[in-house]
Amino acid sequence: KQEVTQIPAALSVPEGENLVLNCSFTDSAIYNLQWFRQDPGKGLTSLLLIQSSQREQTSGRLNASLDKSSGRSTLYIAASQPGDSATYLCAVDNYGQNFVFGPGTRLSVLP
Amino acid sequence: DADVTQTPRNRITKTGKRIMLECSQTKGHDRMYWYRQDPGLGLRLIYYSFDVKDINKGEISDGYSVSRQAQAKFSLSLESAIPNQTALYFCATSDDTMGTGVAFFGQGTRLTVV
Repeated sequence: KQEVTQIPAALSVPEGENLVLNCSFTDSAIYNLQWFRQDPGKGLTSLLLIQSSQREQTSGRLNASLDKSSGRSTLYIAASQPGDSATYLCAVDNYGQNFVFGPGTRLSVLP
Repeated sequence: DADVTQTPRNRITKTGKRIMLECSQTKGHDRMYWYRQDPGLGLRLIYYSFDVKDINKGEISDGYSVSRQAQAKFSLSLESAIPNQTALYFCATSDDTMGTGVAFFGQGTRLTVV
């Protein structure tokens, strides 16, 4: 059974800092990994999707990497801003059937 | 209009009542999902469907049922609501291309069972 964990559970940083969020999964037989953002009481928005054949994806200040063999992914946020404050979730596809989510990292960027 | 629309957005119901949550999408995707989110537990899969004639149980399907009325519509029913079904419910869609299936989520339905 695929299990996904995320570290840290919560993170508070001053504005302008670069930061890294971590995601681990137990079964490396995945087709893709996605990073999502969730604002309080809102739905999830997909930020980046990394296919299993890829090592990383970039979108603006966000960079996500994937190491399938070790079951790890990182989300790097450069020059953090208060507007980046949200919960970030990673999800892996479950044998191409559905998505298994981690519990999320709650990020606060302080002005 | 939103790509994935959930109704209602908020609902309070009494224990033992039957309730239906509805989801519609304009993405043209075949795959649709229902998840629930609880504090500290993340998102857990209830049911998913790959097309109108396909329904699959997820991790926590007990106490729930679903109906895929059309490609664009996927509804979730609680046959007899109980307080521990109080949660935030999400509908999601994705395309069926392996490896490229970006998931799109609705805004969620906050359900309270009293």
